Amino acid sequence: GAVVSQHPSWVICKSGTSVKIECRSLDFQATTMFWYRQFPKQSLMLMATSNEGSKATYEQGVEKDKFLINHASLTLSTLTVTSAHPEDSSFYICSVKTRGVDSPLHFGNGTRLTVT
Amino acid sequence: GENVEQHPSTLSVQEGDSAVIKCTYSDSASNYFPWYKQELGKRPQLIIDIRSNVGEKKDQRIAVTLNKTAKHFSLHITETQPEDSAVYFCAASKGNAGNMLTFGGGTRLMVKP
Repeated sequence: GAVVSQHPSWVICKSGTSVKIECRSLDFQATTMFWYRQFPKQSLMLMATSNEGSKATYEQGVEKDKFLINHASLTLSTLTVTSAHPEDSSFYICSVKTRGVDSPLHFGNGTRLTVT
Repeated sequence: GENVEQHPSTLSVQEGDSAVIKCTYSDSASNYFPWYKQELGKRPQLIIDIRSNVGEKKDQRIAVTLNKTAKHFSLHITETQPEDSAVYFCAASKGNAGNMLTFGGGTRLMVKP
């Protein structure tokens, strides 16, 4: 069964508004979660690494003030796209690292964001 | 940082034929190489992975080979079926399997019945 729950699965919002995406680990405590973005017909690009109880680490070129990440508990990380623009329209996927030694990453189902 | 190149970007084969997808990586410290299958609008699904202390791994119709010296690894699918049609991504990471992944550009595989 699914070990990572991501919500919403899709969202349409108007330009200038903010959207929050949730990523929950269901059966385990996740100290680290990764947020990826995937544009149509492209690969998954790492946006940031979310660490429980501390600030997220952002990849080069990703604006931390635009993509707010909060990892306040061991089971929940949120990504908020602030002041969304049409170019932010993309597929956002979280992945979770479990505490088990050498366990592979578990991916959420992704969120399709469309900004009109 | 790590850079992963993947070829070809598209691949069309006849049902029953074999398909091979190749990836190269740049960071010699990478030691974990998973392959994912992604269907349209869905999350990537891990189909097979290999660690740097192994040269080859097989799981039914799927196999992966790794050449550490040349820093390349390949996915082999035999006896392809229409349901194998999807986008396949290779990836690389350092340390444990659950560490940050760098993905290749993806290969769209089309299996014609």
